[in-house]
Amino acid sequence: AQSVAQPEDQVNVAEGNPLTVKCTYSVSGNPYLFWYVQYPNRGLQFLLKYITGDNLVKGSYGFEAEFNKSQTSFHLKKPSALVSDSALYFCAVRDRGGGSQGNLIFGKGTKLSVKP
Amino acid sequence: GAVVSQHPSRVICKSGTSVKIECRSLDFQATTMFWYRQFPKQSLMLMATSNEGSKATYEQGVEKDKFLINHASLTLSTLTVTSAHPEDSSFYICSARDSAGVLEYNEQFFGPGTRLTVL
Repeated sequence: AQSVAQPEDQVNVAEGNPLTVKCTYSVSGNPYLFWYVQYPNRGLQFLLKYITGDNLVKGSYGFEAEFNKSQTSFHLKKPSALVSDSALYFCAVRDRGGGSQGNLIFGKGTKLSVKP
Repeated sequence: GAVVSQHPSRVICKSGTSVKIECRSLDFQATTMFWYRQFPKQSLMLMATSNEGSKATYEQGVEKDKFLINHASLTLSTLTVTSAHPEDSSFYICSARDSAGVLEYNEQFFGPGTRLTVL
């Protein structure tokens, strides 16, 4: 069965420090991988995706993520955190086998808190 | 990126009434729209997949007679919560997928969500 795991409920980082939000996945074959951010009482905003090509993907707001096939991971990173990065982050996967109709499977989310 | 709107953003209703939530893709055509429900501090739970011109596909455990979905055009899907109860109070989020292939890899775009409170 397809699944996405975000092992940390919350990540606390000091402003200016690097941050990492972890994500591992389990799907058959090669997946499409996504990161979304959600601010309070708002919908999801797309950050970045991995479809193919370079394993290091750069996205919005200075975020990046690295696809690691051997570890089945897609950790979200940012070199220098901002207080405004504080939000809920969701990792999602879509099975390529599902074609264009495959549904997104979401992790449970990780709350990122960046302190001044 | 593409824009998906939802209306209303917040709604408060009395128990027993019905509430309709609209989801629109503003600058692209969406053959498929998705409806999610999100409980506090939890992930998104897919409720149903809405296909234009055909019946929605509901996930296991979601009552189709309670959560009526209509996808009458390529830019509009509606979710009607019928005979609402306090336990239906939640954050409902829709998502639309570009059907024309203009946006690569049929990416999903999400609406801002609707906060439903049933008294």
